[in-house]
Amino acid sequence: GENVEQHPSTLSVQEGDSAVIKCTYSDSASNYFPWYKQELGKGPQLIIDIRSNVGEKKDQRIAVTLNKTAKHFSLHITETQPEDSAVYFCAARKGGNTPLVFGKGTRLSVIA
Amino acid sequence: GAVVSQHPSWVICKSGTSVKIECRSLDFQATTMFWYRQFPKQSLMLMATSNEGSKATYEQGVEKDKFLINHASLTLSTLTVTSAHPEDSSFYICSATSGQGFSGYTFGSGTRLTVV
Repeated sequence: GENVEQHPSTLSVQEGDSAVIKCTYSDSASNYFPWYKQELGKGPQLIIDIRSNVGEKKDQRIAVTLNKTAKHFSLHITETQPEDSAVYFCAARKGGNTPLVFGKGTRLSVIA
Repeated sequence: GAVVSQHPSWVICKSGTSVKIECRSLDFQATTMFWYRQFPKQSLMLMATSNEGSKATYEQGVEKDKFLINHASLTLSTLTVTSAHPEDSSFYICSATSGQGFSGYTFGSGTRLTVV
C-alpha cells in the first residue's frame, strides 16, 4: 500500500523567514496530495492541495510543488508569522473515494 | 465550503461504558466517511472506511465489534466505542467525501475521548 514519508519532524524558523516541508510517496498511482494544518485539540484544516496533472500551485504565502517522477511533493510557506505555528501533515490518495494516507507530521514553530 | 460537524468535542466516560460520536455533513452528501484515531504527537491512523448503506471496512488490527460504525444516511455517520477502556482514550476524527466528482476531504473538529 501507499507509504508517505515526511521531513522534518520539527522545524523552527524566525518570523518572516520561509519554511519548507517535504514529503515522498511510494505508490505511483497516487494522484491527489493535500496539506493540512492542525492546531492543538482541533481537526486538520486543508491549506492547499495539488493533483498529479499539475506541477505547482500557489495561494498567497503558501505553495506546493509536485515532482511525479521523483514521487515527492513539498510545502513552501513564505513570510512566516507566529500564527503559522502548528503541526502540518502531508497526505496522498490513489483515486476514487479511497482514504488519505498521512505523513507523520511536522511541528512548525515560528519565533517572533 | 463543505462542513462536517462532529460531536461531542470531548467526552469523559467510565471504563466499561459505551460512547457514541456523531459526524454530520451539513451542506453536502457524504457518500464515504473515514474514521481516524490520533494519539498525542502522532499522525492520524485510519480505523475504518464506511460507504452509505454498506458495512464499514476496518483496517487491520481494529476490532469491528469494539468500534461500531453506522453510516445509514448520506449526512450522518456514527462511531460507537463499546466497553471502553483507558487504552481507548484518544482523539477521534471523522472525514467525509462526496461521490459526485471529487471535491476533496472534509474533516470534523475531532472528539477527545478520556476513559477513566
